[in-house]
Amino acid sequence: QKEVEQNSGPLSVPEGAIASLNCTYSDRGSQSFFWYRQYSGKSPELIMSIYSNGDKEDGRFTAQLNKASQYVSLLIRDSQPSDSATYLCAVRGWTGNQFYFGTGTSLTVIP
Amino acid sequence: DVKVTQSSRYLVKRTGEKVFLECVQDMDHENMFWYRQDPGLGLRLIYFSYDVKMKEKGDIPEGYSVSREKKERFSLILESASTNQTSMYLCASSFLDRGNSPLHFGNGTRLTVT
Repeated sequence: QKEVEQNSGPLSVPEGAIASLNCTYSDRGSQSFFWYRQYSGKSPELIMSIYSNGDKEDGRFTAQLNKASQYVSLLIRDSQPSDSATYLCAVRGWTGNQFYFGTGTSLTVIP
Repeated sequence: DVKVTQSSRYLVKRTGEKVFLECVQDMDHENMFWYRQDPGLGLRLIYFSYDVKMKEKGDIPEGYSVSREKKERFSLILESASTNQTSMYLCASSFLDRGNSPLHFGNGTRLTVT
């Protein structure tokens, strides 16, 4: 079983819509969860981090964490074509030394 | 801002060459990591280090070695490059004891072995 699983997509949404990206993880001891955005040919950049159950909002982005269900999600409101990228879910292992990544969800926002 | 700098953006090497990929971070991070990323396979951990002169194997260490002589610098070495090592290589760093500290990536090195 993979440590972190994401719906691989590709996901297409029209401009202005809400994009919903999902992630599940297997290690119940994990405490830190991150979303990275990666444009084609570029390196991942951190866009959200979340540590507590519930929602965390930052501009058009909302991260949601449910530790009981071992589930993390990212909502992108008012999606823009510039949001078209691959989104990586990352979980920091309980030892603190390792990060586990999903394989990413490719998002395309259609103008 | 955290800065993780990889020495080369693009590299082209021949089969059998010894290849050095260098990475430097300026945030006094204890942890440093080397990943490779291939289409459809995601990020795969090659090696990581949590202290000077310490190294731990990741998921795919075969054909690679690493060196960490100074805290800020972590080098990846391909002892004898092969075509199946053509990939995007990503260096990253983080704090060790701050459980909420994220991973910060360099810009990546796209290596082609011919």
